[in-house]
Amino acid sequence: EAQVTQNPRYLITVTGKKLTVTCSQNMNHEYMSWYRQDPGLGLRQIYYSMNVEVTDKGDVPEGYKVSRKEKRNFPLILESPSPNQTSLYFCASSLLAAAKNIQYFGAGTRLSVL
Amino acid sequence: AQTVTQSQPEMSVQEAETVTLSCTYDTSESDYYLFWYKQPPSRQMILVIRQEAYKQQNATENRFSVNFQKAAKSFSLKISDSQLGDAAMYFCAYRRYSGGGADGLTFGKGTHLIIQP
Repeated sequence: EAQVTQNPRYLITVTGKKLTVTCSQNMNHEYMSWYRQDPGLGLRQIYYSMNVEVTDKGDVPEGYKVSRKEKRNFPLILESPSPNQTSLYFCASSLLAAAKNIQYFGAGTRLSVL
Repeated sequence: AQTVTQSQPEMSVQEAETVTLSCTYDTSESDYYLFWYKQPPSRQMILVIRQEAYKQQNATENRFSVNFQKAAKSFSLKISDSQLGDAAMYFCAYRRYSGGGADGLTFGKGTHLIIQP
């Protein structure tokens, strides 16, 4: 089954404790992206990747890192999480970067930073 | 920068009736894509329908259709014969068509749709 898999689905952590949210897709997609969703704000893009070893900032990149060492994986790293990073996070992928390609979303990761 | 506005934070409709969700956007681009995504309580983001700006014909997918008014920069979603399973948050989204394709989706803030049995 074609899918985007995020882990963990739920995570509670404390300020300053490094964490990684994994994202994996099995569709051989080149383009991958991370979004965060906050009440009343919709979804906003954090980082994206056009292909292996090619990443760039989205609209809200502060406090996050990403890497793309393999085509299928695109982990989101919070080196020193803070309470304002409490949010619902989505990973998405599409075959190519061009806008006509539909983005498929993972099931989301609910992060709480205490 | 592009913006997407959904002016209805919440809508309610009786089961089997028709409801229209509004979306307006602001862009200086002439080529782009517009999308409606559904987010049920499971939080999964599900693509409902998409529209290519250069196509004048409105997109339809079964009970879902759009009214795309390019000059007015309006992209409303009509749900016919509403069903209980349609209850969800609905997000309108824009994506610029560009050769590099680097831009992500720009989302509106969402409309919470309630279906009354």
